Amino acid sequence: EAQVTQNPRYLITVTGKKLTVTCSQNMNHEYMSWYRQDPGLGLRQIYYSMNVEVTDKGDVPEGYKVSRKEKRNFPLILESPSPNQTSLYFCASRLGGELFFGEGSRLTVL
Amino acid sequence: GEDVEQSLFLSVREGDSSVINCTYTDSSSTYLYWYKQEPGAGLQLLTYIFSNMDMKQDQRLTVLLNKKDKHLSLRIADTQTGDSAIYFCAEIRSQGNLIFGKGTKLSVKP
Repeated sequence: EAQVTQNPRYLITVTGKKLTVTCSQNMNHEYMSWYRQDPGLGLRQIYYSMNVEVTDKGDVPEGYKVSRKEKRNFPLILESPSPNQTSLYFCASRLGGELFFGEGSRLTVL
Repeated sequence: GEDVEQSLFLSVREGDSSVINCTYTDSSSTYLYWYKQEPGAGLQLLTYIFSNMDMKQDQRLTVLLNKKDKHLSLRIADTQTGDSAIYFCAEIRSQGNLIFGKGTKLSVKP
Protein backbone atom coordinates (compact mmCIF):
# COMPACT_ATOMS: atom_id res chain seq x y z
CA GLU A 1 0.00 0.00 0.00
CA ALA A 2 1.30 3.42 -1.02
CA GLN A 3 1.81 5.56 2.04
CA VAL A 4 3.71 8.27 3.85
CA THR A 5 4.47 7.36 7.45
CA GLN A 6 5.32 9.89 10.14
CA ASN A 7 6.55 9.19 13.64
CA PRO A 8 5.78 10.06 16.33
CA ARG A 9 2.14 11.01 15.81
CA TYR A 10 2.02 12.80 19.15
CA LEU A 11 4.84 14.16 21.28
CA ILE A 12 5.11 16.40 24.30
CA THR A 13 8.61 17.59 25.04
CA VAL A 14 10.46 20.35 26.85
CA THR A 15 12.36 23.36 25.58
CA GLY A 16 15.84 22.56 24.37
CA LYS A 17 15.55 18.79 24.13
CA LYS A 18 16.53 17.73 20.62
CA LEU A 19 13.97 15.70 18.73
CA THR A 20 13.49 14.16 15.31
CA VAL A 21 10.24 13.54 13.49
CA THR A 22 10.71 10.83 10.91
CA CYS A 23 8.99 10.64 7.53
CA SER A 24 9.18 7.67 5.22
CA GLN A 25 7.52 6.96 1.87
CA ASN A 26 7.40 3.69 -0.05
CA MET A 27 6.61 5.07 -3.51
CA ASN A 28 10.10 5.99 -4.68
CA HIS A 29 9.04 9.65 -4.93
CA GLU A 30 11.73 12.19 -5.55
CA TYR A 31 9.96 15.18 -4.00
CA MET A 32 9.34 15.33 -0.25
CA SER A 33 8.34 18.24 1.93
CA TRP A 34 7.54 19.29 5.50
CA TYR A 35 4.77 21.66 6.54
CA ARG A 36 3.53 23.03 9.80
CA GLN A 37 -0.09 23.92 10.35
CA ASP A 38 -1.16 26.59 12.81
CA PRO A 39 -4.64 28.08 13.33
CA GLY A 40 -5.34 30.90 10.91
CA LEU A 41 -2.03 30.44 9.10
CA GLY A 42 -2.78 27.41 6.96
CA LEU A 43 0.06 25.09 6.00
CA ARG A 44 3.43 26.75 5.80
CA GLN A 45 6.34 25.01 4.21
CA ILE A 46 9.40 24.39 6.36
CA TYR A 47 11.78 22.57 3.99
CA TYR A 48 11.48 20.60 0.81
CA SER A 49 13.66 18.20 -1.13
CA MET A 50 13.61 17.64 -4.87
CA ASN A 51 15.83 14.54 -4.65
CA VAL A 52 18.49 12.78 -2.60
CA GLU A 53 21.01 15.21 -1.11
CA VAL A 54 19.01 18.19 -2.43
CA THR A 55 17.15 20.24 0.17
CA ASP A 56 15.83 23.81 0.13
CA LYS A 57 14.31 26.17 2.64
CA GLY A 58 10.61 26.83 2.56
CA ASP A 59 8.86 29.81 4.12
CA VAL A 60 9.56 29.03 7.78
CA PRO A 61 12.86 27.10 8.08
CA GLU A 62 14.18 28.79 11.24
CA GLY A 63 14.75 26.33 14.07
CA TYR A 64 14.57 23.26 11.84
CA LYS A 65 16.98 21.04 9.95
CA VAL A 66 16.38 18.27 7.46
CA SER A 67 18.42 15.65 5.67
CA ARG A 68 17.80 13.54 2.59
CA LYS A 69 20.42 10.80 2.54
CA GLU A 70 18.15 8.31 0.86
CA LYS A 71 15.07 8.69 -1.27
CA ARG A 72 12.55 7.16 1.08
CA ASN A 73 13.35 9.14 4.25
CA PHE A 74 13.14 12.85 5.04
CA PRO A 75 13.50 13.45 8.78
CA LEU A 76 12.71 16.80 10.40
CA ILE A 77 15.13 17.74 13.17
CA LEU A 78 14.53 20.25 15.92
CA GLU A 79 17.93 20.80 17.52
CA SER A 80 16.65 22.97 20.36
CA PRO A 81 12.84 23.06 20.35
CA SER A 82 11.05 26.13 21.63
CA PRO A 83 7.38 26.66 22.55
CA ASN A 84 6.71 28.52 19.28
CA GLN A 85 7.39 25.24 17.49
CA THR A 86 4.29 23.73 19.07
CA SER A 87 2.29 22.81 15.99
CA LEU A 88 0.84 20.11 13.78
CA TYR A 89 3.41 18.86 11.27
CA PHE A 90 2.73 17.18 7.95
CA CYS A 91 5.14 15.39 5.65
CA ALA A 92 4.30 14.97 1.97
CA SER A 93 5.75 13.22 -1.06
CA ARG A 94 4.94 13.74 -4.72
CA LEU A 95 5.45 12.32 -8.16
CA GLY A 96 3.94 14.42 -10.92
CA GLY A 97 0.43 15.30 -9.84
CA GLU A 98 0.15 12.48 -7.32
CA LEU A 99 0.49 13.86 -3.82
CA PHE A 100 0.53 11.88 -0.61
CA PHE A 101 0.47 13.22 2.94
CA GLY A 102 1.36 11.63 6.21
CA GLU A 103 -1.26 11.63 8.95
CA GLY A 104 0.40 14.43 10.87
CA SER A 105 2.53 14.74 13.99
CA ARG A 106 1.22 16.90 16.81
CA LEU A 107 4.14 18.35 18.72
CA THR A 108 3.88 20.28 21.99
CA VAL A 109 6.95 22.01 23.40
CA LEU A 110 6.63 23.07 27.05
CA GLY B 1 7.53 33.91 -1.01
CA GLU B 2 4.32 35.23 -2.48
CA ASP B 3 1.11 33.94 -0.98
CA VAL B 4 -1.67 31.79 -2.39
CA GLU B 5 -4.76 33.80 -1.47
CA GLN B 6 -8.11 32.53 -0.28
CA SER B 7 -10.95 34.17 1.58
CA LEU B 8 -10.98 32.92 5.15
CA PHE B 9 -14.68 32.19 5.64
CA LEU B 10 -17.73 31.15 3.63
CA SER B 11 -21.20 30.43 4.97
CA VAL B 12 -23.97 28.79 2.93
CA ARG B 13 -27.30 27.10 3.51
CA GLU B 14 -27.72 23.38 3.08
CA GLY B 15 -28.72 22.56 -0.49
CA ASP B 16 -27.16 25.70 -1.97
CA SER B 17 -23.99 25.72 -4.07
CA SER B 18 -20.71 26.80 -2.49
CA VAL B 19 -17.96 28.50 -4.45
CA ILE B 20 -14.53 28.75 -2.89
CA ASN B 21 -12.05 30.97 -4.68
CA CYS B 22 -8.28 30.97 -4.80
CA THR B 23 -5.67 33.17 -6.44
CA TYR B 24 -2.33 31.52 -7.01
CA THR B 25 1.01 33.05 -7.80
CA ASP B 26 2.98 31.19 -10.44
CA SER B 27 1.73 31.35 -14.02
CA SER B 28 3.90 28.30 -14.70
CA SER B 29 2.25 26.20 -11.99
CA THR B 30 1.74 22.69 -13.31
CA TYR B 31 -0.85 21.27 -10.92
CA LEU B 32 -3.41 22.94 -8.68
CA TYR B 33 -5.12 21.15 -5.82
CA TRP B 34 -8.07 21.36 -3.50
CA TYR B 35 -7.78 19.71 -0.11
CA LYS B 36 -10.40 19.31 2.61
CA GLN B 37 -9.64 19.18 6.31
CA GLU B 38 -12.28 18.32 8.89
CA PRO B 39 -11.74 19.26 12.55
CA GLY B 40 -8.96 17.23 14.13
CA ALA B 41 -8.31 15.31 10.92
CA GLY B 42 -5.59 15.22 8.31
CA LEU B 43 -5.68 16.49 4.74
CA GLN B 44 -8.02 14.83 2.27
CA LEU B 45 -7.36 15.35 -1.42
CA LEU B 46 -10.59 16.38 -3.11
CA THR B 47 -9.42 16.95 -6.63
CA TYR B 48 -6.63 18.39 -8.69
CA ILE B 49 -6.39 19.95 -12.12
CA PHE B 50 -3.54 20.05 -14.57
CA SER B 51 -2.64 23.48 -15.88
CA ASN B 52 -3.65 22.69 -19.47
CA MET B 53 -7.25 22.17 -18.39
CA ASP B 54 -9.95 24.81 -17.88
CA MET B 55 -12.44 22.72 -15.98
CA LYS B 56 -12.73 19.43 -14.19
CA GLN B 57 -15.92 17.92 -12.84
CA ASP B 58 -16.20 15.09 -10.35
CA GLN B 59 -19.69 14.36 -9.02
CA ARG B 60 -20.69 17.39 -6.92
CA LEU B 61 -17.34 19.11 -7.38
CA THR B 62 -16.44 21.42 -10.25
CA VAL B 63 -13.03 23.03 -10.54
CA LEU B 64 -12.54 26.03 -12.82
CA LEU B 65 -9.12 27.32 -13.79
CA ASN B 66 -8.49 30.75 -15.27
CA LYS B 67 -4.80 30.82 -16.12
CA LYS B 68 -4.85 34.38 -17.37
CA ASP B 69 -6.01 35.67 -13.99
CA LYS B 70 -4.29 32.87 -12.01
CA HIS B 71 -7.65 32.09 -10.44
CA LEU B 72 -8.89 28.72 -9.29
CA SER B 73 -12.33 27.96 -7.93
CA LEU B 74 -14.08 25.00 -6.36
CA ARG B 75 -17.82 24.70 -6.67
CA ILE B 76 -19.68 22.26 -4.45
CA ALA B 77 -23.20 21.57 -5.67
CA ASP B 78 -26.02 20.74 -3.21
CA THR B 79 -23.83 21.54 -0.20
CA GLN B 80 -24.44 19.31 2.81
CA THR B 81 -23.61 19.75 6.50
CA GLY B 82 -20.93 17.10 6.04
CA ASP B 83 -19.15 19.49 3.69
CA SER B 84 -18.39 21.81 6.61
CA ALA B 85 -14.59 21.91 6.81
CA ILE B 86 -11.57 23.97 5.89
CA TYR B 87 -10.68 23.89 2.20
CA PHE B 88 -7.11 24.50 1.07
CA CYS B 89 -5.99 25.52 -2.37
CA ALA B 90 -2.43 24.53 -3.32
CA GLU B 91 -0.16 25.02 -6.33
CA ILE B 92 2.96 23.29 -7.59
CA ARG B 93 5.27 26.05 -8.69
CA SER B 94 7.60 25.89 -11.66
CA GLN B 95 10.55 24.80 -9.50
CA GLY B 96 8.49 21.88 -8.22
CA ASN B 97 7.61 23.31 -4.84
CA LEU B 98 4.12 22.81 -3.34
CA ILE B 99 2.58 25.86 -1.65
CA PHE B 100 -0.75 26.13 0.19
CA GLY B 101 -3.21 28.92 0.82
CA LYS B 102 -4.35 29.67 4.36
CA GLY B 103 -7.62 27.84 3.89
CA THR B 104 -11.30 28.77 3.64
CA LYS B 105 -13.58 27.67 6.45
CA LEU B 106 -16.90 26.56 4.99
CA SER B 107 -19.88 26.59 7.35
CA VAL B 108 -23.08 24.94 6.18
CA LYS B 109 -26.28 25.99 7.95
CA PRO B 110 -29.23 23.58 8.03
